Amino acid sequence: DAGVIQSPRHEVTEMGQEVTLRCKPISGHDYLFWYRQTMMRGLELLIYFNNNVPIDDSGMPEDRFSAKMPNASFSTLKIQPSEPRDSAVYFCASSFGPDTQYFGPGTRLTVL
Amino acid sequence: AQKITQTQPGMFVQEKEAVTLDCTYDTSDQSYGLFWYKQPSSGEMIFLIYQGSYDEQNATEGRYSLNFQKARKSANLVISASQLGDSAMYFCAMSPRSNDYKLSFGAGTTVTVRA
Repeated sequence: DAGVIQSPRHEVTEMGQEVTLRCKPISGHDYLFWYRQTMMRGLELLIYFNNNVPIDDSGMPEDRFSAKMPNASFSTLKIQPSEPRDSAVYFCASSFGPDTQYFGPGTRLTVL
Repeated sequence: AQKITQTQPGMFVQEKEAVTLDCTYDTSDQSYGLFWYKQPSSGEMIFLIYQGSYDEQNATEGRYSLNFQKARKSANLVISASQLGDSAMYFCAMSPRSNDYKLSFGAGTTVTVRA
């Protein structure tokens, strides 16, 4: 079975540009999570969805960040406008209820 | 709110020896899950092992075992017979088992296996 799929794997952009990260969860999973990993803050949850509905977005840094899940097999995390401090690895993970969360390979974002 | 503490930033272990990675947690939830993930230098997060708060037996998965001491709120990972491929960052994480399943992570422990 395919795991969680994320694209792109690497993104380099300039400050002020819009960035869209994409995620396809494992089929049948009803929870989808977006995490960000930085050296300074470690792994932190940004937002998570249950059955495509956002449940908790308290970790979203600010209004420049937005996330959507239009259907059970696709989610996006958008940053507009991007800033250098947004540089990080962004992970998508999915689970079936409270079971184990499986992570995608991550998107390494660099904002110049 | 949950808090996960990993006090060992880095560890060295000889190949074929066992290593224990410490993890303590703090939560007011009665039902929760404890997880360990491995992050090699390539960056992916690999699930290793899970322990439920009501599980009476310590979890084991191959060379990985979880030493769960509920009263002490500790969930240490033991890797037996270390291999060079075990060199990685290891994260302890916890989530409630009620209606909020978000994971809280520790800072991680870097393990380096020496030949």
